[in-house]
Amino acid sequence: AQKVTQAQTEISVVEKEDVTLDCVYETRDTTYYLFWYKQPPSGELVFLIRRNSFDEQNEISGRYSWNFQKSTSSFNFTITASQVVDSAVYFCALSEAVNNAGNMLTFGGGTRLMVKP
Amino acid sequence: GAGVSQSPSNKVTEKGKDVELRCDPISGHTALYWYRQSLGQGLEFLIYFQGNSAPDKSGLPSDRFSAERTGGSVSTLTIQRTQQEDSAVYLCASSLGGGRVEQYFGPGTRLTVT
Repeated sequence: AQKVTQAQTEISVVEKEDVTLDCVYETRDTTYYLFWYKQPPSGELVFLIRRNSFDEQNEISGRYSWNFQKSTSSFNFTITASQVVDSAVYFCALSEAVNNAGNMLTFGGGTRLMVKP
Repeated sequence: GAGVSQSPSNKVTEKGKDVELRCDPISGHTALYWYRQSLGQGLEFLIYFQGNSAPDKSGLPSDRFSAERTGGSVSTLTIQRTQQEDSAVYLCASSLGGGRVEQYFGPGTRLTVT
């Protein structure tokens, strides 16, 4: 069975600080996908990134970066120079290979990030 | 282009009534998913459609829940004889299919059962 754990339920930082959101996953599949979604106060889930299990390259997009390590089953998300607009709940999710549930997402519990001015 | 849309955005209903929630996926997306988000259960998967077909309905919480998709596009999630524990935000997502597995979510329908 697949499982995603986000141990940090809530993080509070001051603007311009760097912050890392942790994500640990469990799966028996050798082919899987990992995702991060952002849920701002408006409520809509916004897709941020997808990584494939066979591609461990880290990725950087502006102030966002992701560190995927299969050896520790982790897919951590770092925001550098945080801004107030980064305040949201962030979800890590896992999808195994296509089956009768398609690429259903198993979500972690989410990390609420509060960035104070 | 247009994203995933859902209607209604909010629905308040009395216990025991039936409700119908609608999802319009992104045009051309063959895969459609329903999820539920509640305080106690987090985000949970309900059902998946590939085209008009739902291969596995075991994710639906009870037999009061049903879903259909027509024309490979619009989907409706129906809850019969609503109960208070059905109160949640119901989210719809779609993906292009094939190797494009990332899902794009709609704004959700907040259902409150009184």
